[in-house]
Amino acid sequence: AQKVTQAQTEISVVEKEDVTLDCVYETRDTTYYLFWYKQPPSGELVFLIRRNSFDEQNEISGRYSWNFQKSTSSFNFTITASQVVDSAVYFCALSEARDTNAGKSTFGDGTTLTVKP
Amino acid sequence: ETGVTQSPTHLIKTRGQQVTLRCSSQSGHNTVSWYQQALGQGPQFIFQYYREEENGRGNFPPRFSGLQFPNYSSELNVNALELDDSALYLCASSLGGTSADTQYFGPGTRLTVL
Repeated sequence: AQKVTQAQTEISVVEKEDVTLDCVYETRDTTYYLFWYKQPPSGELVFLIRRNSFDEQNEISGRYSWNFQKSTSSFNFTITASQVVDSAVYFCALSEARDTNAGKSTFGDGTTLTVKP
Repeated sequence: ETGVTQSPTHLIKTRGQQVTLRCSSQSGHNTVSWYQQALGQGPQFIFQYYREEENGRGNFPPRFSGLQFPNYSSELNVNALELDDSALYLCASSLGGTSADTQYFGPGTRLTVL
């Protein structure tokens, strides 16, 4: 069965610090997709990135970067030079290609990031 | 391009009642998924509709049911409400019904059951 673990429940940093949010996943499928979403207090989940299991290249988008390592089943998310507006709950999610529930995403329980000025 | 919208924003019901939540998918998307997010937890998959047919279902009882309409909007119906049904209900739309398709979420409906 698929599972996503975000061991860090809450992280607090001071503005301009770098912060890494951890995500460890479990799957028996060889083809799968990993996602990160941001959930601000308004409640809407905002899509940040999708990565498929065959693409282990790290990705950088502005202050955001993602490190995907199949060897450790991890898909970590780093925010460089954090800002107060980065404060939110961040979710990592997994979808398996062979899941009979097509389109189902399994989410971790989220990491609450607080960036203090 | 219009994003995913949901109505109502908030809802208060009493135990045993029935509720209908609505979702309009993003323009061009033919797939809608519904998730339940309890406080302090990640979203849990309820079911997905692809071109008006149920395309997958999570571990939710039959009193959770849904519909998708020809314009790809969707409804989530919950009968015989229980206190544990209190949660944020999120709708997500995608271009297709596969695991590869990125889901775009609406703002959610916060349901409180008293």
